[in-house]
Amino acid sequence: SQQGEEDPQALSIQEGENATMNCSYKTSINNLQWYRQNSGRGLVHLILIRSNEREKHSGRLRVTLDTSKKSSSLLITASRAADTASYFCATTLNMFSGGYNKLIFGAGTRLAVHP
Amino acid sequence: DAGVIQSPRHEVTEMGQEVTLRCKPISGHNSLFWYRQTMMRGLELLIYFNNNVPIDDSGMPEDRFSAKMPNASFSTLKIQPSEPRDSAVYFCASSLDGFYEQYFGPGTRLTVT
Repeated sequence: SQQGEEDPQALSIQEGENATMNCSYKTSINNLQWYRQNSGRGLVHLILIRSNEREKHSGRLRVTLDTSKKSSSLLITASRAADTASYFCATTLNMFSGGYNKLIFGAGTRLAVHP
Repeated sequence: DAGVIQSPRHEVTEMGQEVTLRCKPISGHNSLFWYRQTMMRGLELLIYFNNNVPIDDSGMPEDRFSAKMPNASFSTLKIQPSEPRDSAVYFCASSLDGFYEQYFGPGTRLTVT
């Protein structure tokens, strides 16, 4: 089953508006990552926030993390038509025995930004 | 760098046929992941390789699925025999090592009729 659950499932806004997407998860995490997927393309890593961080910025992106509520949000400010894509949160489970970070993806939010 | 390369980009096959998906990771990356994306189950990790060795194949759905990595620059995911429920987009991703950012390929859209 998926670890992360995004909310809303779909979001439609006008260019220039802000877009906020939320992600909830179930278990303790090492970090949480956000990815973007354009239609017919692979996923592109956007930003990573560690479990001991509360907020992180990257350009027009702002990510918050509330470990007490097991939730994260991704804010895209001053949206553009090119931001139209699906956005996924992924929690990272440290697989000590395997020596890697396993990403558990949510179902994603489909964002449509209209010119 | 060309990024992660996958082929074919689209595959349509009939039930019962063998399907082979291919992946070339980014040069210098020692970790490779195969994922499957469906509407019902989202993105799921199928198998993880490190230095060409399969480390975690717990996500491989059943024995019809197999994956190999004969060298650092090539991996295959094979389905034999294929079934309609295998229809999905299959992604390959690579990273410097298992704990670093993963770079995804464009995916292979598989349709089994």
